[in-house]
Amino acid sequence: EAQVTQNPRYLITVTGKKLTVTCSQNMNHEYMSWYRQDPGLGLRQIYYSMNVEVTDKGDVPEGYKVSRKEKRNFPLILESPSPNQTSLYFCASSRTSPNEQFFGPGTRLTVL
Amino acid sequence: AQKVTQAQTEISVVEKEDVTLDCVYETRDTTYYLFWYKQPPSGELVFLIRRNSFDEQNEISGRYSWNFQKSTSSFNFTITASQVVDSAVYFCALSEYLNQAGTALIFGKGTTLSVSS
Repeated sequence: EAQVTQNPRYLITVTGKKLTVTCSQNMNHEYMSWYRQDPGLGLRQIYYSMNVEVTDKGDVPEGYKVSRKEKRNFPLILESPSPNQTSLYFCASSRTSPNEQFFGPGTRLTVL
Repeated sequence: AQKVTQAQTEISVVEKEDVTLDCVYETRDTTYYLFWYKQPPSGELVFLIRRNSFDEQNEISGRYSWNFQKSTSSFNFTITASQVVDSAVYFCALSEYLNQAGTALIFGKGTTLSVSS
């Protein structure tokens, strides 16, 4: 089944404890992206990647890192999480851009 | 700057009513794409439609229809004979060309549709 998977789906952590949210797609898509969704703000792009080793910042990259060492994986790294990073995070992929993006199920992160 | 405005924050209708969700966009690009996504209470994002800037034909898919008007920079979404299962948050989005790395989706803030029986 074609899909985008994210892990974990739910995470509660404390300020400053490094964490990684994994994202993987099995559709051989070139384009992958991370978004965060906050009430009243909609979805905002954090980082995106057009292909392996090609990444760039979106609208709200501060406090986040990404890597794209393999085509299928695009992990989101929070080196030192803070409470303002409490949010719902979505990973998405598409064959190229700006095609239809397939979204993962979301990761709900709470930083205490 | 690219921008998507969904002026209706919340809409409540009774089953079988028709409802239109408005989307107005701003862009400097001559070639762009518009999207609608649905987010049901379960939280996932479901793709509904993509439309490019050169195709102004209206589209109908079952009870869903979309009206794209370049002259008014609008891409409105109508649900005919709404059902309870249509209750969701609906997002309109615009593709923004970034650089050779690709494009980003600029999302509106969403319209929450509640359909009661």
